[in-house]
Amino acid sequence: EADIYQTPRYLVIGTGKKITLECSQTMGHDKMYWYQQDPGMELHLIHYSYGVNSTEKGDLSSESTVSRIRTEHFPLTLESARPSHTSQYLCASSSLGGTANEKLFFGSGTQLSVL
Amino acid sequence: GESVGLHLPTLSVQEGDNSIINCAYSNSASDYFIWYKQESGKGPQFIIDIRSNMDKRQGQRVTVLLNKTVKHLSLQIAATQPGDSAVYFCAENIEYGNKLVFGAGTILRVKS
Repeated sequence: EADIYQTPRYLVIGTGKKITLECSQTMGHDKMYWYQQDPGMELHLIHYSYGVNSTEKGDLSSESTVSRIRTEHFPLTLESARPSHTSQYLCASSSLGGTANEKLFFGSGTQLSVL
Repeated sequence: GESVGLHLPTLSVQEGDNSIINCAYSNSASDYFIWYKQESGKGPQFIIDIRSNMDKRQGQRVTVLLNKTVKHLSLQIAATQPGDSAVYFCAENIEYGNKLVFGAGTILRVKS
């Protein structure tokens, strides 16, 4: 069973506020990811990390930023939230293996609503 | 190209029937594929995976078929149950050890 946690579960916030979505995993996984998903839509990769001090932008452009100071922690920050940021944000992790095995373990997500 | 803003197709099946969910992938060099299940309000959960050197793999009530010739992946669910109602995503590993790319997903609705 995967142990990856996201907080908060739901967040309603006003335009212009700075927010940080938390993601932690206890599996010692090297790789971590952030996906954005609108209701009934696909998952879009917005950030990923290979390990500590590594961050990369994903396929979908995002105004958010991420950091990876510790292996288990991969927070996502929006400096100034806007209504267009309203979405579900999913964090995931996987272990770096010697074969092409990218089984991801997902958290339960943070549903963000910006008013 | 990337299908941003695409609404998901829906498959409705009767409880007890078999379900087949299809997925077309984009890159002939992809070497690893996964099916995920996402229930409402939850993150995706791993169902089954398959490597490109196989064309079939079976799990508990699920079977994944891979046709590399036409770049097609399918998920078969036997004796579909109400608890199977969810969104199902296929994902392909595009670059060795790099990242997964998710398909558009299919909504499965099971009628009792």
